[in-house]
Amino acid sequence: GEDVEQSLFLSVREGDSSVINCTYTDSSSTYLYWYKQEPGAGLQLLTYIFSNMDMKQDQRLTVLLNKKDKHLSLRIADTQTGDSAIYFCAGSGGATNKLIFGTGTLLAVQP
Amino acid sequence: GAVVSQHPSWVICKSGTSVKIECRSLDFQATTMFWYRQFPKQSLMLMATSNEGSKATYEQGVEKDKFLINHASLTLSTLTVTSAHPEDSSFYICSARGKMGAGGPADTQYFGPGTRLTVL
Repeated sequence: GEDVEQSLFLSVREGDSSVINCTYTDSSSTYLYWYKQEPGAGLQLLTYIFSNMDMKQDQRLTVLLNKKDKHLSLRIADTQTGDSAIYFCAGSGGATNKLIFGTGTLLAVQP
Repeated sequence: GAVVSQHPSWVICKSGTSVKIECRSLDFQATTMFWYRQFPKQSLMLMATSNEGSKATYEQGVEKDKFLINHASLTLSTLTVTSAHPEDSSFYICSARGKMGAGGPADTQYFGPGTRLTVL
């Protein structure tokens, strides 16, 4: 089945850029998503990218998709302390339309 | 738009009792709802998928008689944990996927805030 991997932890200083990476094995997803989870809360949809796109920018967020390498990344510009959370990438699971989640990356923003 | 609510947000119960969790899509019609379970510091584990008016499809290893799912309308799904035991303690999160126009692509899932279940 689909395997989606993320690095477990990323620490940055406030004002710096953060880059969260995601690799996946199944390239049949139509859309790829980034979700944010704050402690004790559900998942908040941050952004998504259509699989035939290479890049999508949405305010401070930039998503890069390299289909050849099966690599997805989320760049957060001017990272703020409020960005501290766990970030999950997810693919739409091909024919089943289920979301396959990555392992999650804990982003810690130091003031 | 695309708001999903869950109730209750947390519940503490005694072992052997049943607990019902509600998931509602507030501003769109959810043709499909999903129930996930999340253990501390782990990713989400899909438990089941439910389509309005039909039986839920459970993932391998999930006991359908223990986790009863009802999706009676396009805005409401319920998960009932029957005869709960301490090992059922977890964070349960639902998501809803609607028709086009809910704010994202057709297969976008919008998540509820989660329900923390603690079984004593």
